Amino acid sequence: KQEVTQIPAALSVPEGENLVLNCSFTDSAIYNLQWFRQDPGKGLTSLLLIQSSQREQTSGRLNASLDKSSGRSTLYIAASQPGDSATYLCAVTNQFYFGTGTSLTVIP
Amino acid sequence: DTAVSQTPKYLVTQMGNDKSIKCEQNLGHDTMYWYKQDSKKFLKIMFSYNNKELIINETVPNRFSPKSPDKAHLNLHINSLELGDSAVYFCASNKGGAGTEAFFGQGTRLTVV
Repeated sequence: KQEVTQIPAALSVPEGENLVLNCSFTDSAIYNLQWFRQDPGKGLTSLLLIQSSQREQTSGRLNASLDKSSGRSTLYIAASQPGDSATYLCAVTNQFYFGTGTSLTVIP
Repeated sequence: DTAVSQTPKYLVTQMGNDKSIKCEQNLGHDTMYWYKQDSKKFLKIMFSYNNKELIINETVPNRFSPKSPDKAHLNLHINSLELGDSAVYFCASNKGGAGTEAFFGQGTRLTVV
């Protein structure tokens, strides 16, 4: 059964820093990997979707990479802002198995 | 226009009651999901329907029964509610099953007292 792990569990950085969030999965037979953010008490907002045939996707200050063979994905956030503070979740399909999340705090 | 909408947003009920949570998507998607997010914020899939047919049924007590009257709706019925059912329940949908972007509702916070 697919297991998805995210490290670190929590991260606190000063505003303006570049940072990397990690996601690893045990079964490389995936269709795609999706990154979400969740604000406290809110639903999930889709950030980026990487198809299994792709290596990376970019949206604004966000860049996500995928190395399917090693079972890893990273989410790179450039020039972090206080508004980036949230929990970041990765999910892999076939069945959208979610990681444990990284709680990010960006300090003004 | 809300893409995936759930009602109610909050639900407080007593143990032993039966309750339903409704979900509707206006995206024309074929597949819908129910997830449970526990107190540790871990999201676990419960059910998935594709074109009104059940395709995923994870290890969930049979007190939980999904119902899909059409492919735009997937409702979750819970019988004989227990304290441990307290959680946030999320509905989601995507097009064509696995491999496409999923969109989530805002969640229903269920509290069983």
